Amino acid sequence: LAKTTQPISMDSYEGQEVNITCSHNNIATNDYITWYQQFPSQGPRFIIQGYKTKVTNEVASLFIPADRKSSTLSLPRVSLSDTAVYYCLLGGSGNTGKLIFGQGTTLQVKP
Amino acid sequence: DTAVSQTPKYLVTQMGNDKSIKCEQNLGHDTMYWYKQDSKKFLKIMFSYNNKELIINETVPNRFSPKSPDKAHLNLHINSLELGDSAVYFCASRGLAVTDTQYFGPGTRLTVL
Repeated sequence: LAKTTQPISMDSYEGQEVNITCSHNNIATNDYITWYQQFPSQGPRFIIQGYKTKVTNEVASLFIPADRKSSTLSLPRVSLSDTAVYYCLLGGSGNTGKLIFGQGTTLQVKP
Repeated sequence: DTAVSQTPKYLVTQMGNDKSIKCEQNLGHDTMYWYKQDSKKFLKIMFSYNNKELIINETVPNRFSPKSPDKAHLNLHINSLELGDSAVYFCASRGLAVTDTQYFGPGTRLTVL
């Protein structure tokens, strides 16, 4: 499966919009882009998934350019409770649904 | 009700012992997984079962043996525990559709002394 690259850490303040960009230059045609969130001492939790263009749900937005070689997770107006590790993943399709997690981006939201 | 549950949540044991971790999902999913998250926080897939059949078996010591009595359960048995087995183990499940995502359990923190 293709590898993803994302910043190791980011800092933000409450109320700000946070954008985390993930690079995936070797994304395959049938790969979906999925983002997970993990709080300390908890399992990863699905945030959002997309294939191309823009996807929005009640938690976040996902922007994917036409070439699909990158994607940006946008968290509007973050709060302290959004402090977590955010993982960008490719694939997960097919009957195995195999996911390969990178090191993720540790987002620290400050008051 | 918890979608994916694991027992126990914490497990402390001595080197050389054999232990099991249980996982159950009530989502009606056909596919279940075991992941290991080490101290550096990397999550690595270990095994996956689809409807009780092994479909993913990563490079894992054969001291680790998954068992799926039915498609709602995937247990992990570990023989002859070693210090390096200390980690958090996560179970997950997923439906069959291409866009289906994985649901993770709360994790089992295993400490080998």
